[in-house]
Amino acid sequence: GQQVMQIPQYQHVQEGEDFTTYCNSSTTLSNIQWYKQRPGGHPVFLIQLVKSGEVKKQKRLTFQFGEAKKNSSLHITATQTTDVGTYFCAGLGSAGNQFYFGTGTSLTVIP
Amino acid sequence: EADIYQTPRYLVIGTGKKITLECSQTMGHDKMYWYQQDPGMELHLIHYSYGVNSTEKGDLSSESTVSRIRTEHFPLTLESARPSHTSQYLCASSHLGTSGNSYNEQFFGPGTRLTVL
Repeated sequence: GQQVMQIPQYQHVQEGEDFTTYCNSSTTLSNIQWYKQRPGGHPVFLIQLVKSGEVKKQKRLTFQFGEAKKNSSLHITATQTTDVGTYFCAGLGSAGNQFYFGTGTSLTVIP
Repeated sequence: EADIYQTPRYLVIGTGKKITLECSQTMGHDKMYWYQQDPGMELHLIHYSYGVNSTEKGDLSSESTVSRIRTEHFPLTLESARPSHTSQYLCASSHLGTSGNSYNEQFFGPGTRLTVL
């Protein structure tokens, strides 16, 4: 079945350091979304990538979609304590009917 | 802020009980979803719907059913709750997209934390 893995599972960084999470799918994806879930909260949409090789930026966040549309990454520059949470990718399968969520990366930012 | 609501927020019940988790959205979204999420883990799709009278099974649909009689309402029913059902249940909704393939962001409700004793 469809599998979407994320690495690392956990990441602790000092405030001001950069952070990257990687998302890898076993199959080609139609598009990919990224979500952030604060502790005790629900996932909140960050962005959607559709095109092969696409790069999008939101302030300190940079999102990439791989050329083969099987992987993606989220990079945060100069982390802040407000970045704490779990980041999930969600890939839309080639059949186009459902999103498969990644295993998530839990980010802790140490002040 | 998204207008999607879930009740109850917390539920503790005994094994064998039948329960219904409620989800409503006021955004007029066509597509709705139910996910199961254990603490700190990934979301698993249980059921989804493209619109009224449409329901589809996700990868984790066993032992539960859904209905979509109205656009805004998508309840999830567990016929006989078991301790293995203890988890958080998240409802979400999204626009279907003009082409049917341009999926938009999913808006999530606050979740129902279910404990089955």
